Amino acid sequence: GAVVSQHPSWVICKSGTSVKIECRSLDFQATTMFWYRQFPKQSLMLMATSNEGSKATYEQGVEKDKFLINHASLTLSTLTVTSAHPEDSSFYICSARDTGVDYGYTFGSGTRLTVV
Amino acid sequence: SQQGEEDPQALSIQEGENATMNCSYKTSINNLQWYRQNSGRGLVHLILIRSNEREKHSGRLRVTLDTSKKSSSLLITASRAADTASYFCAGSEKLVFGKGTKLTVNP
Repeated sequence: GAVVSQHPSWVICKSGTSVKIECRSLDFQATTMFWYRQFPKQSLMLMATSNEGSKATYEQGVEKDKFLINHASLTLSTLTVTSAHPEDSSFYICSARDTGVDYGYTFGSGTRLTVV
Repeated sequence: SQQGEEDPQALSIQEGENATMNCSYKTSINNLQWYRQNSGRGLVHLILIRSNEREKHSGRLRVTLDTSKKSSSLLITASRAADTASYFCAGSEKLVFGKGTKLTVNP
């Protein structure tokens, strides 16, 4: 079945540094990937839609310069949290659509980011 | 918005009982999907029901869809402790999630 690999699964960084999270579709090509963040006991909030070869589409209230998204190939999208602050600490999840699974979306296992 | 809103927000049952969760949405959809999330993990796709379908089964899962009421239900029969998770619904092309239903199945 369709697999999305997300790396790293957890990361701790210092305030002011940048962190890159990778999302790879392992056995299918994904022209579109989605990035979400989730606070404890909350739902997933869609941050942006990552489009291969073009600019990402950000949801209202999400800072483009803060959360840089690059979708340089059909199997890889990256989310870079720039100049991270403690309030950026969250659970980040990516997903991609594989049309081979009846329009279902496959999610990565998530990245727990802690900014200290 | 194709965001789904699930209810109840929390559900606690005994192993072997059935669990029913509901989802309501506001705009028209082409399909509706249910996902589960174990604590601190990614989401797992459970089942998709198309707008022209009224009911769909997959193992112990049964999903219904009422497009006139813009609602769907997910029934898990003969629940197991391993079913303990949060369950979310979302519609069509752009997955926007509600708060989910946190299901606890007590052994």
